[in-house]
Amino acid sequence: QVQLVESGGGVVQPGRSLRLSCAASGFTFSSYGMHWVRQAPGKGLEWVAAISYAGSDKYYADSVKGRLTISRDNSKNTLYLQMNSLRAEDTAVYYCAKDSARYGGNPPRSGMDVWGQGTTVTVSS
Amino acid sequence: DVVMTQSPLSLPVTLGQPASISCRSTQSLVYSDGNTYLNWFQQRPGQSPRRLIYKVSNRDSGVPDRFSGSGSGTDFTLKISRVEAEDVGVYYCMQGTHWPITFGQGTRLEIK
Repeated sequence: QVQLVESGGGVVQPGRSLRLSCAASGFTFSSYGMHWVRQAPGKGLEWVAAISYAGSDKYYADSVKGRLTISRDNSKNTLYLQMNSLRAEDTAVYYCAKDSARYGGNPPRSGMDVWGQGTTVTVSS
Repeated sequence: DVVMTQSPLSLPVTLGQPASISCRSTQSLVYSDGNTYLNWFQQRPGQSPRRLIYKVSNRDSGVPDRFSGSGSGTDFTLKISRVEAEDVGVYYCMQGTHWPITFGQGTRLEIK
């Protein structure tokens, strides 16, 4: 079945780095744009970043631009989020999610039809 | 950025009764390709979000037909015809027409 499994979360000090991974299965990963969406404790959903199906185009929320980098390896069916210069306000559950449009437009705008279970990132000294 | 405003933020509903959630955007969500990229998501307690509706009124696979979406331009509505216990959770609208993608603040549905 279609599945996304995130990993790599943990507790990290402010200013340090972390890399999240999202392993995809059950669909043709290389045909779909992908997103990272986060949810701070007790808060709503915040879109963080997106990447085109080929990986050539990347998009970021202003709050993370220059610190977080989205990437993908279509040969490994894996999505990544490299998180540098982490701040307390980056503390959240991070979800990877599949865009629903096959070979969708740039940026991928159709919405997320499959979500992972989330991985928790806590930034604290 | 396009701001998505949901109302109400809290929605107590009696089992078997209808429920309605409003979502308003600060700009029209009609894209240049003619589509309106407005989605609705459900997040049950302790679970990941799940998409219910895409492009205003299209139900995702497996979504019960008691859920329906409507609206146009800047005003959208999610309706549940008869609320069931499993519908408890937070509901979010999301727009993909204008970048960046933005979500509404969420509406918490509870059983009265």
